[in-house]
Amino acid sequence: GDSVTQMEGPVTLSEEAFLTINCTYTATGYPSLFWYVQYPGEGLQLLLKATKADDKGSNKGFEATYRKETTSFHLEKGSVQVSDSAVYFCALRPVRGAQKLVFGQGTRLTINP
Amino acid sequence: DAGVIQSPRHEVTEMGQEVTLRCKPISGHDYLFWYRQTMMRGLELLIYFNNNVPIDDSGMPEDRFSAKMPNASFSTLKIQPSEPRDSAVYFCASSVQGGNSNQPQHFGDGTRLSIL
Repeated sequence: GDSVTQMEGPVTLSEEAFLTINCTYTATGYPSLFWYVQYPGEGLQLLLKATKADDKGSNKGFEATYRKETTSFHLEKGSVQVSDSAVYFCALRPVRGAQKLVFGQGTRLTINP
Repeated sequence: DAGVIQSPRHEVTEMGQEVTLRCKPISGHDYLFWYRQTMMRGLELLIYFNNNVPIDDSGMPEDRFSAKMPNASFSTLKIQPSEPRDSAVYFCASSVQGGNSNQPQHFGDGTRLSIL
């Protein structure tokens, strides 16, 4: 079945460091791909998305590119801030699924000043 | 705009009691999802509705769990009887089909449930 695998956390970085959170997926065809972010005590919020191969989603300095050849959707940011500390979830929407999402296990990110 | 509204935000009760969690989706959204989040199992989809009709309840853990959506603006998730292992954060989310089916899900802030 469809699945999403994220790099294991937690990840701890210093402010202004470069961030990469790896995400790979298994799915039939061309699913839509998403990154959600969860701040402490809150629900998940959509961070960015990509709907077809080679699309790049971007928001708030974060980027991720839909790579069909490597079935990946890695999240990157050039210079992280303390306020980026959160849990990040990679997710896919199967091609034939309705609105159902398949989530990865989440990666906790902590940024130290 | 009002987002997805869940109540209560926190619930602490003793095992064996009935627990009812409530959700008001975003107006105009035709899909509603219930998730459970724990440290051990991560984020799990329990059930989702389309136009108030349950579409997939394969994630509901057992018969103690039930969910209803009597109208487009309200849904409940009920646990009866509750057990300590039901302790988790329960999220409700809603979305709209839209023209390209790539509309995101919008999450509420969750209900933190503790069963003693």
